[in-house]
Order: sequence, then C-alpha cells, then structure tokens
Amino acid sequence: AQSVDQPDAHVTLSEGASLELRCSYSYSAAPYLFWYVQYPGQSLQFLLKYITGDTVVKGTKGFEAEFRKSNSSFNLKKSPAHWSDSAKYFCALEGPGGNNKLTFGQGTVLSVIP
Amino acid sequence: DTTVKQNPRYKLARVGKPVNLICSQTMNHDTMYWYQKKPNQAPKLLLFYYDKILNREADTFEKFQSSRPNNSFCSLYIGSAGLEYSAMYLCASSRGTVYEQYFGPGTRLTVL
Repeated sequence: AQSVDQPDAHVTLSEGASLELRCSYSYSAAPYLFWYVQYPGQSLQFLLKYITGDTVVKGTKGFEAEFRKSNSSFNLKKSPAHWSDSAKYFCALEGPGGNNKLTFGQGTVLSVIP
Repeated sequence: DTTVKQNPRYKLARVGKPVNLICSQTMNHDTMYWYQKKPNQAPKLLLFYYDKILNREADTFEKFQSSRPNNSFCSLYIGSAGLEYSAMYLCASSRGTVYEQYFGPGTRLTVL
C-alpha cells in the first residue's frame, strides 16, 4: 500500500525566511511525486512533479523540491518566502507506471508573516 | 481555458435521498476524477474515468456511481445519502497518467 505523510500540520515563518515543507512517502517501487497548493478560496493547483531524472525539480512560483530516495522524502523549498505563499500545501504520490491514482498527504498550512 | 467547473457549489441533501454532482472541463482531457475531502483529512480518490472506462476504488465501490456521457462531463451519483457523505467533493481532470491534474472548486455537500 502507498502512503504519504506530511508531519507538520502548520508552519509559520516570517517573510524573507527560507521555507521547507516536509513530505515522506511509503511505496515499494519508484514513485511519481507531486506538490499541489490551495490558496484561500481557490482550487487545488499543481506546483511541481518528480517523475524521473534530476532529483531537484523546479516548479511554478519559485518553488522547488528534492527527491531523496535514501529517506523517502520529497520536501518542498522556496527562498525567500513571501506573504503571498500563505496557503495549504499537499504532497501526493502516484502509483506504479502512473496508474492515475493520486494518494495525498493531509496537507501543511503555511503562514508567512509580513 | 484550464478550468474545471463543478455544479452546484453547495448542496444540501436529506438522509436517504439521492445526490447528483456535475463536473465539466473543456481541455479535452481523457481522464476525470472524483475525490472526497473531509476537514483536516487528505483528499481521497473515489473513482476516475479514463476515456469511457470507469475505475472505482475498492472501499467505495458500492457507495458511489458515476457517468461520463461525453469527454467534457462527468457526474458523481449517491443513491442514498447518509450523514457520513457530508464532505467536499472535488473533481479533477488530466490528459493521462503522469501529467498534473486540474481541480475544480469543489461541491460542498451537507447531508441532514
């Protein structure tokens, strides 16, 4: 069975600081990994994905994530953070060979204080 | 246009009554999904259509039905709503596996 864990329900930091949102996964094969973001009052939006190749992937809005097979993690990073980054962030995993089934983590609420 | 639309945005239903939720997209995506999201929980995949083929998750197999009359539309049907069905229902679409999913704004269903 596949699972995704986002251990931090809330993260608060000051504008200008570096942000890192944690995501770990459990999966027996090579995963496809995604980050989505939900701004207040808006739909879930795609940020970035890792399929294969370079373990550091860049996405929209200045975000990047690093896939680390050694500790089954896919942490989201951005520096510096901006108050407009305040949102809820979801990490997700897609199963073998891209089977269309996304398993989401519970999400991390990020608050960036101006 | 990369939007996914959902109707209605809010739905109030009585216990035991049927519920039908609608989703549409104009991106010509071959795959459409339905997720259920409850507060402080992860979105949970209920089912998806790949073209005309419906795939339902094993643990929700008997609770939800769906239809996709054409490429653009997909419905989610609950035959007899129970209190446990109260949740946000998210529709999404993608142009295949591996590609990102585009999500609609959701329908908030409240069952009384």
